[in-house]
Amino acid sequence: GAVVSQHPSWVICKSGTSVKIECRSLDFQATTMFWYRQFPKQSLMLMATSNEGSKATYEQGVEKDKFLINHASLTLSTLTVTSAHPEDSSFYICSARWDRGEQPQHFGDGTRLSIL
Amino acid sequence: GQNIDQPTEMTATEGAIVQINCTYQTSGFNGLFWYQQHAGEAPTFLSYNVLDGLEEKGRFSSFLSRSKGYSYLLLKELQMKDSASYLCAVRPGRRALTFGSGTRLQVQP
Repeated sequence: GAVVSQHPSWVICKSGTSVKIECRSLDFQATTMFWYRQFPKQSLMLMATSNEGSKATYEQGVEKDKFLINHASLTLSTLTVTSAHPEDSSFYICSARWDRGEQPQHFGDGTRLSIL
Repeated sequence: GQNIDQPTEMTATEGAIVQINCTYQTSGFNGLFWYQQHAGEAPTFLSYNVLDGLEEKGRFSSFLSRSKGYSYLLLKELQMKDSASYLCAVRPGRRALTFGSGTRLQVQP
């Protein structure tokens, strides 16, 4: 079964709206969560790395004031796309890792964001 | 920096065997992963190699040569449902996985 839950699956909203995406680890404590973005027919591009209780580390070119990440607990991280515009339309996928041993990253089901 | 290369597209026949290659150059190496991704869905974990050699898991096998920066994913007894993108990913140290651009596999009857 799923080990990472992501919500919502689909979002369609108007330009200028802020959208919050939740990512929860199920049955394990995710010390590290990652947020990726994927455009059609392209690979997953890492946006930021989130550690519980500390500020997220953003990849080069990702605006931290636009993509707000909060990792308030060991099972929950949120990504808020502030004042979204059509160019932010993409597939956003969270991933969680239990940092004990060589564990794979488990992915949520993704959120398809469409900004009109 | 990180550089991961894999073929863009491959086509194979149902029941056959297909090998998807991946070469990588990364700063730091802590494992190579293969994921399957169907269109519009999130990736699902297939296999993991950290030492050289072959790892077999049912119809799927993955091979790693760290000295050559090379891996392959072998799919046997192909089924139509295996049509998907296959993503090669490297973990550089303790950082997040870095993904290749993926190989779109089309299985034909």
